[in-house]
Amino acid sequence: EEQLVESGGGVVQPGGSLRLSCVASGFTFSSYSMNWVRQAPGKGLEWVSYISSSSGTIYYADSVKGRFTISRDNAKKSLHLQMTSLRDEDTAVYYCARGFMGAIGAWGQGALVAVSS
Amino acid sequence: EIVLTQSPGTLSLSPGERATLSCRASQSVTSNYLAWYQQKPGQAPRLLIYGATSRATGIPDRFSGSGSGTDFTLTISRLEPEDFVVYYCQQYGSVPRTFGQGTKVEIK
Repeated sequence: EEQLVESGGGVVQPGGSLRLSCVASGFTFSSYSMNWVRQAPGKGLEWVSYISSSSGTIYYADSVKGRFTISRDNAKKSLHLQMTSLRDEDTAVYYCARGFMGAIGAWGQGALVAVSS
Repeated sequence: EIVLTQSPGTLSLSPGERATLSCRASQSVTSNYLAWYQQKPGQAPRLLIYGATSRATGIPDRFSGSGSGTDFTLTISRLEPEDFVVYYCQQYGSVPRTFGQGTKVEIK
């Protein structure tokens, strides 16, 4: 069974840092591009970042550029999102999401990040 | 940045009826790289349609996608009780890969 399991969420003060991780199983992780997508409480979906299968291509949303860093370790079948200078508006459920033909074909269960003083 | 506008915001229909959801892009979507997702309460989204018209694996054939350029449509031919949830479109032809704001399909 294909699975994506996020970890590392929690409560952090404004200006703080947090690192999200996602471990994949049930498929050949190294063959797929990956994304992070977030959803603020009661709101819609917001694409955050993309990384190609080999890490050769990386994209960010303007709202997180310069503050968030996406990375992956294909040997460990893991995806990461290093988040710094966190703001109130970064509060959301963060989904680890696997690419499929450019779209998003599989999603994790999500990790809640709450930025609050 | 391509802005996707979904309409209507809420669609009130009865089981068995046909649902037509619209997604309009502020500029042409490259290669019609447009996807539709379904999200049930408390769950992660699920891919329904990619490439504007291709159904994802395991998706019932009552779901269909159409359109090109800037105007796209998700049609649910006959609504089942489990279809009364929220739907999002997303373009992945250019960066940033934007989502629409969502359409909620509710029971009338």
